Amino acid sequence: GENVEQHPSTLSVQEGDSAVIKCTYSDSASNYFPWYKQELGKRPQLIIDIRSNVGEKKDQRIAVTLNKTAKHFSLHITETQPEDSAVYFCAASMGTGANNLFFGTGTRLTVIP
Amino acid sequence: NAGVTQTPKFQVLKTGQSMTLQCAQDMNHNSMYWYRQDPGMGLRLIYYSASEGTTDKGEVPNGYNVSRLNKREFSLRLESAAPSQTSVYFCASSTQKWTGGAEQYFGPGTRLTVT
Repeated sequence: GENVEQHPSTLSVQEGDSAVIKCTYSDSASNYFPWYKQELGKRPQLIIDIRSNVGEKKDQRIAVTLNKTAKHFSLHITETQPEDSAVYFCAASMGTGANNLFFGTGTRLTVIP
Repeated sequence: NAGVTQTPKFQVLKTGQSMTLQCAQDMNHNSMYWYRQDPGMGLRLIYYSASEGTTDKGEVPNGYNVSRLNKREFSLRLESAAPSQTSVYFCASSTQKWTGGAEQYFGPGTRLTVT
C-alpha cells in the first residue's frame, strides 16, 4: 500500500518568514495530494490540493509543488502569520474506488510573533 | 448544511465495555471513512465505505466494526474496549470520483478514553 513520509515533525519560524513542509510517497499510482490544517482541538480542514497532472498550484500565501519523478511534494507558506500556527498534514490518494487518503504524520508549525 | 456531525464529543469507557460512535453527513456524499488520530501518528484509516451497502477494512481495523446504515450514516462500534483504543476518532466523507481523488470533509471528532 501507499506510504507517506512527512518532514519536519516540528517547525518554528519568525512571523513574516516562509515555511516549507515536505512529503514523499511510495506508490507511483497516486494522483491526488491534499494538504490539511488542523488547529488545536479542531477537525482537519483542506487548505490546498494538487493533482498529478499539475506541477504547482498557488492560493494567496500558500503554494504546493509536486515532483512526480521523485515522488515528493511540498507545502510552502509565505509571509507567515501567528494564525498559521497549527499542525499540517499531507496526504496521497490513488484516486480509485473510495479515494482513500494516506496521511503523513504531521508537522507542528509555530509562528513566533 | 451541518456537514459531517459526530456523537458523542467525549466518552470514557472501562476496559471491556462496548459503545457505538455515530456519524452523519448531509452533503449527499457516497464515500465515508473512520480514522483514529494518535499523537505523532497522523490519521490512520480504520474502515471505509465506498458507497452505500459496502464497507472495507483500512489500515487498523482490529477491534472495530462498522455499519453503513444508509447513505447519510456510518457508525463505528467497539465491541470490547481496550486502553489501546484511547484516541480521537474522526469521521469523514467525500464524493466518489473514479478519475481522481476528492476532498474529504471531517467531522468534529470524538475523544475516547478507555481506562
